[in-house]
Order: sequence, then C-alpha cells, then structure tokens
Amino acid sequence: GQQVMQIPQYQHVQEGEDFTTYCNSSTTLSNIQWYKQRPGGHPVFLIQLVKSGEVKKQKRLTFQFGEAKKNSSLHITATQTTDVGTYFCAGPDTGNQFYFGTGTSLTVIP
Amino acid sequence: EAQVTQNPRYLITVTGKKLTVTCSQNMNHEYMSWYRQDPGLGLRQIYYSMNVEVTDKGDVPEGYKVSRKEKRNFPLILESPSPNQTSLYFCASSLFFRDEQFFGPGTRLTVL
Repeated sequence: GQQVMQIPQYQHVQEGEDFTTYCNSSTTLSNIQWYKQRPGGHPVFLIQLVKSGEVKKQKRLTFQFGEAKKNSSLHITATQTTDVGTYFCAGPDTGNQFYFGTGTSLTVIP
Repeated sequence: EAQVTQNPRYLITVTGKKLTVTCSQNMNHEYMSWYRQDPGLGLRQIYYSMNVEVTDKGDVPEGYKVSRKEKRNFPLILESPSPNQTSLYFCASSLFFRDEQFFGPGTRLTVL
C-alpha cells in the first residue's frame, strides 16, 4: 500500500544549528501538508503546498514540494528550543485517503 | 472557540469489552477522520468520512467501526478490543477533504 517515509526518524541539534527533514511518498500526492506535534500534544497544521516545485517560507522554516509531487522537505534555519517536537508531512492521494509520514522527532540542545 | 473534542482522554480496558471514543467538532466541517499513532509508524488513518452518512475505510480499519449520523459527531467504536489496539488515537476534521486538518487532543487507550 501507500507509504510516506520521513528521514531522519530522530535528530538532535545544538541550538542555532540548522535542521532538515525529508519526506518521500510511494505515490503522487495532491498536495503536501506539514504538521508539528509538541511532546504530549496533538498535530498542528503548519503549511500546505499544492504546486510541483513550490517553495514557501515561514520565518525560519522553508518548505519545498518536489517536481513529481512525491517528495518534500522542511528546513529550519538556526533552531531554537521552541522548535522541539515531531514534524510530520502528510497528504491526500488521488482518491479520498490521507497519508501521514512516519515523522521526524527534533530535539534542540540549549 | 473552534475545536475538536474527544472523550475520554485516557482509557484502560480489558480485552473484549466494547468501547466508544467520541469525537465532536464545532466548525461545520465536512471531512472527519480517525488516526492511530504508534511509535515509528506516524499517524495511520483508520476511517474517514467525507460527509454525513458517508464513511470509508482508511489504511488500518480492522477491528474498528465508525458512524456519521450528524455532521459534528464521528464516534469510533471498538466492538471487541484487543491488546494490539493499544495506541494513541486522534480525531481530526477539515472543511473539505484536501484542506488543513484540525486535531482533537487525543485519546490514550490501553487494552489489557
């Protein structure tokens, strides 16, 4: 079946270092969404990209959607302790199902 | 306040004892969905509903049932829970299928 994998599964960085998580889907996604889940919390929507090759920025966060609409990345510049959490990519397939990636857990060391 | 609510938040039960986890949203959303979250596996979709009276299986529907009799409610039913259904469950809703999803606070279920 459909799979959406993310790497790395875990990442520890020193505060101020950059961080990137990569998302790969086995099939084409209609759009890609990114969510952040703080420890003990629920996923919270960050952003949605729709067009192939699209790049969007939110302050220190940069999101990309691949040309084939099967991969995506999230890059955080100069991490802060408030960036701690698990980041998930997600997207609907061409049917009606929604798929979440396996997630990348980010730890920021002060 | 716009929100998705789930109850109960925590539940410990025994194998075979039927249970229901309720989910309600006050945003007039069409699309609702149930996910389970397990370490290393991310969130996996159990069931979803495009609209009232319209439900369909997600990736991992075995052992679960749902109903959507009203737009705001989407309960998850485990008729005969088993230990492999021990997990963290999230209900989510969105205006339409491809839109951003709003999540409930989660229900941590343990089946002994």
